[in-house]
Amino acid sequence: QKEVEQDPGPLSVPEGAIVSLNCTYSNSAFQYFMWYRQYSRKGPELLMYTYSSGNKEDGRFTAQVDKSSKYISLFIRDSQPSDSATYLCAMVSSRSSGDKLTFGTGTRLAVRP
Amino acid sequence: ETGVTQSPTHLIKTRGQQVTLRCSSQSGHNTVSWYQQALGQGPQFIFQYYREEENGRGNFPPRFSGLQFPNYSSELNVNALELDDSALYLCASSSGQGAPYEQYFGPGTRLTVT
Repeated sequence: QKEVEQDPGPLSVPEGAIVSLNCTYSNSAFQYFMWYRQYSRKGPELLMYTYSSGNKEDGRFTAQVDKSSKYISLFIRDSQPSDSATYLCAMVSSRSSGDKLTFGTGTRLAVRP
Repeated sequence: ETGVTQSPTHLIKTRGQQVTLRCSSQSGHNTVSWYQQALGQGPQFIFQYYREEENGRGNFPPRFSGLQFPNYSSELNVNALELDDSALYLCASSSGQGAPYEQYFGPGTRLTVT
């Protein structure tokens, strides 16, 4: 079983839709939870991070963590065609040597104009 | 402030050959991590270098090795290339004292092994 599971999609939504992206994890030592956006042929770009259960909002993006269920989500409101990319969840364990990021497989999102 | 840069952008090698990939860290950063991203997969941690010493390694064989130089730039070397080594290789730099989410990725080197 992978430590981090993420639905690979692809996900196709119309412009303006609310998008929900999700990851589940099995390692209870994961302490930091991040969401990255990766455009085609580019490196991942950090969107949001959190380290506690609950919601964190940044503009159109909301990150949600439920440590009891080992489940994290990223919500995108009023989605735009420019949001079309692959979204990766990533986690860091408090027990890892080095700041090793453990990624999900990524969800490919397409926002149709 | 310059970002993380990687070279070359693309590379084609033959099975059994050796390859060296390079990464220049962001200004002020002393830690470099390397990741392998196969097509359709998330990045997998290879190893991390902090102040020229290896500081954590993922589940990769010894033919994957690295170096970090006094200016904190880094190299990833892969010997005896296999077809499965075809992937996007990413490096990420950080300050070594910041939070683990403060890692900034370069654009990657796409390696194709034929």
